[in-house]
Amino acid sequence: GDSVTQMEGPVTLSEEAFLTINCTYTATGYPSLFWYVQYPGEGLQLLLKATKADDKGSNKGFEATYRKETTSFHLEKGSVQVSDSAVYFCALSFFQGGSEKLVFGKGTKLTVNP
Amino acid sequence: NAGVTQTPKFQVLKTGQSMTLQCAQDMNHEYMSWYRQDPGMGLRLIHYSVGAGITDQGEVPNGYNVSRSTTEDFPLRLLSAAPSQTSVYFCASTSRPPGAGRSYEQYFGPGTRLTVT
Repeated sequence: GDSVTQMEGPVTLSEEAFLTINCTYTATGYPSLFWYVQYPGEGLQLLLKATKADDKGSNKGFEATYRKETTSFHLEKGSVQVSDSAVYFCALSFFQGGSEKLVFGKGTKLTVNP
Repeated sequence: NAGVTQTPKFQVLKTGQSMTLQCAQDMNHEYMSWYRQDPGMGLRLIHYSVGAGITDQGEVPNGYNVSRSTTEDFPLRLLSAAPSQTSVYFCASTSRPPGAGRSYEQYFGPGTRLTVT
């Protein structure tokens, strides 16, 4: 079935470092791709999304490009801040049985030190 | 709008006890779902509902029941709690995607941390 695989981490960076969190997917159709973020003690929030090949999602300095040729949706940020410390989840959505399903990766914990 | 609310925030149960996790949303969303989050496992779908009166199983439904009598509420029932159900539970909702649209966002509640001893 459809699935996502992301680097497991944890990832520890210094403030202003460059961030990449890898995500690859397996899908039979043409899924939409998402990055969700979970701050400590909170639920998940949508960070960015892309609905078709070559789309770039961006938000709060984070970017990810939907690459169909490499089945990837890597998350990047040029200069991380302490406030970016969180768990990041890659996800894809697909249709099954007439309804849309969301499949999550296992999450990558990011810690940014001052 | 309060968004998606969940109660309780924390709960400790003994093996064999039953309880209901509450979830409510005030956004008039048709689609609601329950996930559990376990370390190293990401989020796994337990049950979901595409509208009042309609529910279906997700990836890990065993040991859980749901019902959807109103658009707003989607409670999750543990019939006989087991230690394997120790987890953080998240409820989520979204407006039903129109046609073949695939760009919907799920709105998550703050979660319920459940421990079964």
